Amino acid sequence: NAGVTQTPKFRILKIGQSMTLQCAQDMNHNYMYWYRQDPGMGLKLIYYSVGAGITDKGEVPNGYNVSRSTTEDFPLRLELAAPSQTSVYFCATRRRGGNEQFFGPGTRLTVL
Amino acid sequence: DAKTTQPNSMESNEEEPVHLPCNHSTISGTDYIHWYRQLPSQGPEYVIHGLTSNVNNRMASLAIAEDRKSSTLILHRATLRDAAVYYCILGAGSYQLTFGKGTKLSVIP
Repeated sequence: NAGVTQTPKFRILKIGQSMTLQCAQDMNHNYMYWYRQDPGMGLKLIYYSVGAGITDKGEVPNGYNVSRSTTEDFPLRLELAAPSQTSVYFCATRRRGGNEQFFGPGTRLTVL
Repeated sequence: DAKTTQPNSMESNEEEPVHLPCNHSTISGTDYIHWYRQLPSQGPEYVIHGLTSNVNNRMASLAIAEDRKSSTLILHRATLRDAAVYYCILGAGSYQLTFGKGTKLSVIP
């Protein structure tokens, strides 16, 4: 099992460009999360999903969009990239009723 | 969300026990205490969690004060691989974890 996979590993964007960060899981977990981590800081929740077709905002949703059409995939969309979105993005999953979140390896995004 | 307070950094000698403290004086009755760690350039990794009683697993032990206003993560024998940032997090219900800055643990060979 691959667990939680994220693509790409690294990306440099220009201001105003758009991109989609991919997150996929093969654990059949209902819950999926997107976090961002700025240098020297803890993680902040951007969006989460409790199952296919259901998403909700976290602490810092502005500038991002998500969709959850399948259990396996939870893409994060940046429409108009800004330097403030330079960060490392982590996707995580959790099974219903479980306590543990499983994190992917992250995507390092730089917006110049 | 209830808040936690952790020291910014700690040091330990290799093969010695490490006690990582966490204060959470505003914890509610339904809040679980979660610990995660983040090795350099990796995503966070679950360590342990508990509600009221002390807990042990293969990675660590969690000691919870009787009033639940503080807890301690215990690594019984620190190795170089345990050098990481350790996060103490309170969570209940929807398990939306709120990460603070954590404690950066350095292990000295």
